[in-house]
Amino acid sequence: GAVVSQHPSWVICKSGTSVKIECRSLDFQATTMFWYRQFPKQSLMLMATSNEGSKATYEQGVEKDKFLINHASLTLSTLTVTSAHPEDSSFYICSARDWEAKNIQYFGAGTRLSVL
Amino acid sequence: GESVGLHLPTLSVQEGDNSIINCAYSNSASDYFIWYKQESGKGPQFIIDIRSNMDKRQGQRVTVLLNKTVKHLSLQIAATQPGDSAVYFCAETEKGNNDMRFGAGTRLTVKP
Repeated sequence: GAVVSQHPSWVICKSGTSVKIECRSLDFQATTMFWYRQFPKQSLMLMATSNEGSKATYEQGVEKDKFLINHASLTLSTLTVTSAHPEDSSFYICSARDWEAKNIQYFGAGTRLSVL
Repeated sequence: GESVGLHLPTLSVQEGDNSIINCAYSNSASDYFIWYKQESGKGPQFIIDIRSNMDKRQGQRVTVLLNKTVKHLSLQIAATQPGDSAVYFCAETEKGNNDMRFGAGTRLTVKP
């Protein structure tokens, strides 16, 4: 199946700093990528839909100035958590949709963010 | 939207038994469904999919059943193994729609 690479897999940062997470589709072009947040023992919570070459669409309640999304190419989307606080600590997962492969969403391995 | 902030239901089975994980969906226009498996600390992995013009699809040790009348989807795992222990999510989408909606997930625990 298609591969989505997410980096880093784990990051620890100080409160107030910014963290960038990368999501790459390795063997297909993804005009649309998705960013999810997942709390322990809970389901995936869609944060935003990232569209190549245009602004991301954020879900209600997600601060777009806090979670900056850039989708500059067909294979790369980035999520930057700005001025991170301990409550931003979570598991962030990206996915990319392979339109040529029956619309399947393939997921990255996730990034565990810990803000001290 | 998708299920948000729900605590996961759990299913515990004995190794070697068959497992059935259920999922209800709400959008009658959904025409494509996927089951994902998520192991601890990892991203979800595609398991099997089914289109709305089918009611059953089989993979290796897994079978997905779709009942459009009652908007119900199930994943059957034959001869469940310890490596099957994970959280399983169903997802639904509608042709032409960008959204993919996820169920709350079910945590499957396989006892040796």
